[in-house]
Amino acid sequence: AQKVTQAQTEISVVEKEDVTLDCVYETRDTTYYLFWYKQPPSGELVFLIRRNSFDEQNEISGRYSWNFQKSTSSFNFTITASQVVDSAVYFCALSGWADKLIFGTGTRLQVFP
Amino acid sequence: GAVVSQHPSWVICKSGTSVKIECRSLDFQATTMFWYRQFPKQSLMLMATSNEGSKATYEQGVEKDKFLINHASLTLSTLTVTSAHPEDSSFYICSARGSPSATSYEQYFGPGTRLTVT
Repeated sequence: AQKVTQAQTEISVVEKEDVTLDCVYETRDTTYYLFWYKQPPSGELVFLIRRNSFDEQNEISGRYSWNFQKSTSSFNFTITASQVVDSAVYFCALSGWADKLIFGTGTRLQVFP
Repeated sequence: GAVVSQHPSWVICKSGTSVKIECRSLDFQATTMFWYRQFPKQSLMLMATSNEGSKATYEQGVEKDKFLINHASLTLSTLTVTSAHPEDSSFYICSARGSPSATSYEQYFGPGTRLTVT
């Protein structure tokens, strides 16, 4: 069975701090996809990244970076120099090819000025 | 990028009435649409998957007679909550996906519909 675990329920940081959101997944598929979504208070899901199981290269996009490690089944997300606008709930998700998304329980990030 | 809309964005209805939520893919053909439900401070739970022209596949525990899903065209899916009750109050989110291909796989999410049943 597929499963996504986000052990951190809530994280609070002060602006400009770096913060890492953890994501651990379980799957028996050899081909799978991992995602991160941001859900601000408005409720609309914002797509951040998709990574397939054959690409373990880390990715950096501005202040965001992702660390994918198949050996530990983890796909962690780091925000560098956090800002108040980063406050949101962040979801990690997993799917197989052309399959449904399995979401983690989400991590609520609060960035205080 | 692909855009998915939902209508209405919020709705209040009385207990016992039915309410319909529309999900539209605006600039692509969605062969598959998904309906999710999200309670406050909880994760998204998949309710059902619908393929255009076919009956929806419901997840375990979701009442198909209560949550009617229609995916009659490649750009429109509807979710009808029948005989709504206060416990059906939730945030309903749809997503749409085109035909799987070597490069296209994304689910594009709508902005959600907040349903309050009084």
